[in-house]
Amino acid sequence: NAGVTQTPKFQVLKTGQSMTLQCAQDMNHNSMYWYRQDPGMGLRLIYYSASEGTTDKGEVPNGYNVSRLNKREFSLRLESAAPSQTSVYFCASSEMPGVAQTQYFGPGTRLLVL
Amino acid sequence: GESVGLHLPTLSVQEGDNSIINCAYSNSASDYFIWYKQESGKGPQFIIDIRSNMDKRQGQRVTVLLNKTVKHLSLQIAATQPGDSAVYFCAEISGNTPLVFGKGTRLSVIA
Repeated sequence: NAGVTQTPKFQVLKTGQSMTLQCAQDMNHNSMYWYRQDPGMGLRLIYYSASEGTTDKGEVPNGYNVSRLNKREFSLRLESAAPSQTSVYFCASSEMPGVAQTQYFGPGTRLLVL
Repeated sequence: GESVGLHLPTLSVQEGDNSIINCAYSNSASDYFIWYKQESGKGPQFIIDIRSNMDKRQGQRVTVLLNKTVKHLSLQIAATQPGDSAVYFCAEISGNTPLVFGKGTRLSVIA
């Protein structure tokens, strides 16, 4: 049982490049989330998927898109990376549909946009 | 310009002492609270939760206290160990809205 896994662990992009961050969970959770964490800050929600087939914007969705590929996988895409998107990105999942549940986090993807 | 939140509140405690980490929340309608621990280079890890119909909950070496009157949450760690050094976040939920995280407190344990 690996929990929540994220790939890649590290990535360096040039401004304007695109990339997709991958997330998968093996806990049969219904809900999945993407957060970003900037130095000295708490986590800010980018997008979430309360259940398979649905996605909703969080606090900071601009510049991102998501895809809930199936129950296990939730990807985050940066279409045209900007230096302001340099951050650590965390994926999380929770058991029940809806968001009012304890979330379990992956190890993070560290992204640097030059 | 200066970035808000760059300088986390820091708590330094001697190994073996008890630690108390505080969190003020703003939404009086919040009905569920969680404490997370984040070690350097890792994702946040669930520690303990509490619902708004409780004022205290105990886990292994940890206790969470909730004071709804003043909208205050605290995490108490008994007999603090070097492995407790981390950033601790409180998070609140109201109904089915997404988790809202606080900025965090850095706990440093002095051996």
